[in-house]
Amino acid sequence: QKEVEQNSGPLSVPEGAIASLNCTYSDRGSQSFFWYRQYSGKSPELIMFIYSNGDKEDGRFTAQLNKASQYVSLLIRDSQPSDSATYLCAASGNTPLVFGKGTRLSVIA
Amino acid sequence: GAGVSQSPRYKVAKRGQDVALRCDPISGHVSLFWYQQALGQGPEFLTYFQNEAQLDKSGLPSDRFFAERPEGSVSTLKIQRTQQEDSAVYLCASSFLRGNEQYFGPGTRLTVT
Repeated sequence: QKEVEQNSGPLSVPEGAIASLNCTYSDRGSQSFFWYRQYSGKSPELIMFIYSNGDKEDGRFTAQLNKASQYVSLLIRDSQPSDSATYLCAASGNTPLVFGKGTRLSVIA
Repeated sequence: GAGVSQSPRYKVAKRGQDVALRCDPISGHVSLFWYQQALGQGPEFLTYFQNEAQLDKSGLPSDRFFAERPEGSVSTLKIQRTQQEDSAVYLCASSFLRGNEQYFGPGTRLTVT
């Protein structure tokens, strides 16, 4: 059973702080990793993808991948109340995209 | 450009009715995926098309679920003889190629009464 595990939260951080979201995956064949943001009642919105070990930065977001540890993380710098949402981690290889259950982030003003 | 569109956005069906959910992917996207999302859960894979070919239907929960993409563009997910456990949000996503990033439509919320 290929799984993606996330802490369900809620993760609460003050406005302006760094939010750190983590994810582990079970399938060593996974090659592509994605972070989606999902607001309540809305569909998932792609915010980051990463294919290679290391860090990938895009604006306030940094995705980190460590294939040896089967670990993916998302850092959100200067967190804003509008970042409050559920963040879904997903992994795929030669199998369909597998999602975690998501981590609920709450940014407190 | 236009994103993935889905219709209807909401559907209420009586148990035993058949429903059809439509997905219009991003123009030029070869791959199309259907997911089912229950409340508080991540999306779960149902089926995958590359152009008009259905290459993976391993996630379809029963033979009451059927999907097609006859011309390699618009796709329809059909659920026959709906049951209460079919109540969920059905999400469609498309990507340029499998393995690339997927973009989701707004979803169809199905409620079976």
